Amino acid sequence: KQEVTQIPAALSVPEGENLVLNCSFTDSAIYNLQWFRQDPGKGLTSLLLIQSSQREQTSGRLNASLDKSSGRSTLYIAASQPGDSATYLCAGRNTGFQKLVFGTGTRLLVSP
Amino acid sequence: NAGVTQTPKFQVLKTGQSMTLQCAQDMNHEYMSWYRQDPGMGLRLIHYSVGAGITDQGEVPNGYNVSRSTTEDFPLRLLSAAPSQTSVYFCASRLTGTPERDSGANVLTFGAGSRLTVL
Repeated sequence: KQEVTQIPAALSVPEGENLVLNCSFTDSAIYNLQWFRQDPGKGLTSLLLIQSSQREQTSGRLNASLDKSSGRSTLYIAASQPGDSATYLCAGRNTGFQKLVFGTGTRLLVSP
Repeated sequence: NAGVTQTPKFQVLKTGQSMTLQCAQDMNHEYMSWYRQDPGMGLRLIHYSVGAGITDQGEVPNGYNVSRSTTEDFPLRLLSAAPSQTSVYFCASRLTGTPERDSGANVLTFGAGSRLTVL
């Protein structure tokens, strides 16, 4: 059974800092891993999806990596801005299964 | 292209009442799913469907029913509401193809959520 963990639960940084959010998963038979952003009271917005055959994906200031052997994924945010303040969730899907298993998220606050 | 549309956005029920949360998508996605989100517990899968006429249970299916008569719609029914079903419910959908065939495959798209309170 796949389990996904995100540590820390909350993170506060000053504007302009580069930061890394962590996601750990227990089962290396992962098919893909997806990073989402959730603003308070809103739905989830997909940021990046990494297939198991890929090591990383990039979109603008965001870069996500996937290391199946260590059971880790990271989301790197460059030059953080107050608008990046949100909860970031990762979710993994195992090979042969349809469902995504979510972590509980990291709440990010970027201060001006 | 509206994406994933959920109704209602807010609902208050009394214990024992029944209701249906509606979910519709206009992206021709084969896969549709319902999650509930509770503080400290993350998102948990209730039910999912890989196509019209096909549904399956997720992690927390008890007390909920689903059906998939069309590709576009995936309603979630609460049979007899209980306070433990107070939560925020999200519908999500995606294509089921391979990324090699469709670059958007596997990307899960969420609705805005439905906040349900059971008194």
